[in-house]
Amino acid sequence: AQTVTQSQPEMSVQEAETVTLSCTYDTSENNYYLFWYKQPPSRQMILVIRQEAYKQQNATENRFSVNFQKAAKSFSLKISDSQLGDTAMYFCAFSLYQGGKLIFGQGTELSVKP
Amino acid sequence: DVKVTQSSRYLVKRTGEKVFLECVQDMDHENMFWYRQDPGLGLRLIYFSYDVKMKEKGDIPEGYSVSREKKERFSLILESASTNQTSMYLCASWGVNQPQHFGDGTRLSIL
Repeated sequence: AQTVTQSQPEMSVQEAETVTLSCTYDTSENNYYLFWYKQPPSRQMILVIRQEAYKQQNATENRFSVNFQKAAKSFSLKISDSQLGDTAMYFCAFSLYQGGKLIFGQGTELSVKP
Repeated sequence: DVKVTQSSRYLVKRTGEKVFLECVQDMDHENMFWYRQDPGLGLRLIYFSYDVKMKEKGDIPEGYSVSREKKERFSLILESASTNQTSMYLCASWGVNQPQHFGDGTRLSIL
């Protein structure tokens, strides 16, 4: 069975600085999908970034980038130039198939301080 | 833009009641999911459906059932609500070449 672990329940960062959220996962499969979702206080889950395991290149979306280490089964999220609107709960998630069920980590609550 | 609508944002029910949580998506997606979100546990899958009238158990199906009579609607049913089912419930749908889209969640309290 696949598992996802986020070992940082809470983190804080000063506005404009960079922060990295950690995620590790466990699977015996070779191909799969990894995601970072953001859940602000409004509760709407928003996809931040997606990585397909067969792609070597790390995914990037504007200020958000990942460090995907397949051998180490690590998938960390880096947020550059943090903004107050980045304050949210961040979830790392795993899926074996496109459109398949998501397996989530426990979440990391990020606070961006002015 | 994909819209996943959950019928209630907040709901308060009593133990033993039969509770229905409704979810509707407007993009003709095949796959729909119900998750439960609890602090420190993340989101856990209750049930999912790949097509009309088809359903599969997720990781925590006990005490729940689902109904998918039409493609756009996926209902979660608490047959006899208990206090340990107090939680946030999130519905999601998925279509080809898209990530899962989530509703705004229903915060359910069982008294």
